[in-house]
Amino acid sequence: EDKVVQSPLSLVVHEGDTVTLNCSYEVTNFRSLLWYKQEKKAPTFLFMLTSSGIEKKSGRLSSILDKKELFSILNITATQTGDSAIYLCAVGSRSNYQLIWGAGTKLIIKP
Amino acid sequence: DGGITQSPKYLFRKEGQNVTLSCEQNLNHDAMYWYRQDPGQGLRLIYYSQIVNDFQKGDIAEGYSVSREKKESFPLTVTSAQKNPTAFYLCASSTEDFNEQFFGPGTRLTVL
Repeated sequence: EDKVVQSPLSLVVHEGDTVTLNCSYEVTNFRSLLWYKQEKKAPTFLFMLTSSGIEKKSGRLSSILDKKELFSILNITATQTGDSAIYLCAVGSRSNYQLIWGAGTKLIIKP
Repeated sequence: DGGITQSPKYLFRKEGQNVTLSCEQNLNHDAMYWYRQDPGQGLRLIYYSQIVNDFQKGDIAEGYSVSREKKESFPLTVTSAQKNPTAFYLCASSTEDFNEQFFGPGTRLTVL
């Protein structure tokens, strides 16, 4: 059965710290891995990683994909209170038309 | 502005009633999705549609129904057969299946 596992489930750090969020997956016929940020309502897209793009960076956020070990990490440096959110990882398969979602990591940044 | 709208934002239902959640997009996306999110859990797929007049069941379709009569619209009906419907419902769309999905603001349904 396809599955996506995120860790930790929750994390509390202080402003300015660096955090690393993990996403491991077992998905048949992998196509892509996506990271989203969810604050109070709708998830917003952060990155998509595929075989042709295994590292992405945007400002203080960066992500890598290890297709051999079947995981991805999301790094946030110099964290700010506005980074507090649930971070969701999802994996797409070439076998069907669905995204398999992890349970999310709830990140709290204390001032 | 292009985007996805969902209505209502909050919905209260009595047990035994059917309710319909609206989802509209003006992004010209072919694919649309309905997800359910419960506290502490990720998103679970209810139904998805790749094209007008066609839709497929997701992992938790029992007790729900959908229609896709127009490209822009993908309403979800929560029927009385859904045993535990209290949840946060998210609608999404994408240009292609399982590429980047864009989400609406969600509808929070509470059964009284």
